Amino acid sequence: GNSVTQMEGPVTLSEEAFLTINCTYTATGYPSLFWYVQYPGEGLQLLLKATKADDKGSNKGFEATYRKETTSFHLEKGSVQVSDSAVYFCALNYGGSQGNLIFGKGTKLSVKP
Amino acid sequence: NAGVTQTPKFRILKIGQSMTLQCAQDMNHNYMYWYRQDPGMGLKLIYYSVGAGITDKGEVPNGYNVSRSTTEDFPLRLELAAPSQTSVYFCASSFGGETGRGNTEAFFGQGTRLTVV
Repeated sequence: GNSVTQMEGPVTLSEEAFLTINCTYTATGYPSLFWYVQYPGEGLQLLLKATKADDKGSNKGFEATYRKETTSFHLEKGSVQVSDSAVYFCALNYGGSQGNLIFGKGTKLSVKP
Repeated sequence: NAGVTQTPKFRILKIGQSMTLQCAQDMNHNYMYWYRQDPGMGLKLIYYSVGAGITDKGEVPNGYNVSRSTTEDFPLRLELAAPSQTSVYFCASSFGGETGRGNTEAFFGQGTRLTVV
């Protein structure tokens, strides 16, 4: 079936460090891929998305590229800030008649000054 | 813009009590979802709806019921609360199916933190 696997956390980085959070997926067909972010005490909000192979989603300095050959959608940021501390969720939407999202377990990121 | 509105934000229930978590969206989305998020875990789908009058079970539907009488509202009902239902509940909505073609984002409410004691 369809599933999303993302790296276990928590991840702790110093400010200005490079961030990578790995995400791989299993899906039939051609899903759309998303990264959502959840700040403390809040709901999830979309960070970026990619709808087809080789697309790159980007927002707020974060990037992720839809790699069909490796079934991956890794999240990267060149220089993290304390304000990036949050939980990050990778998700896929395989559309069709259900159109529902499948989420990874989430990766908690803490950035220290 | 209101987006997805959930009420209440917090609630403490006693075992065996019932309650309804309210969810409303003003974006004319056809798809709506209820998820639960347990501490340190990802989201699990409880129920979803692809349009008014149509609902279906997700991964963890036991102990819950839903209805979708209008496009805007998607309440979640807990009939006999149990400690295992202590969680944070998120409602979400999106365009889906042929309208969304699987590539549109879901918008989430702020969540309802429920404790059953």
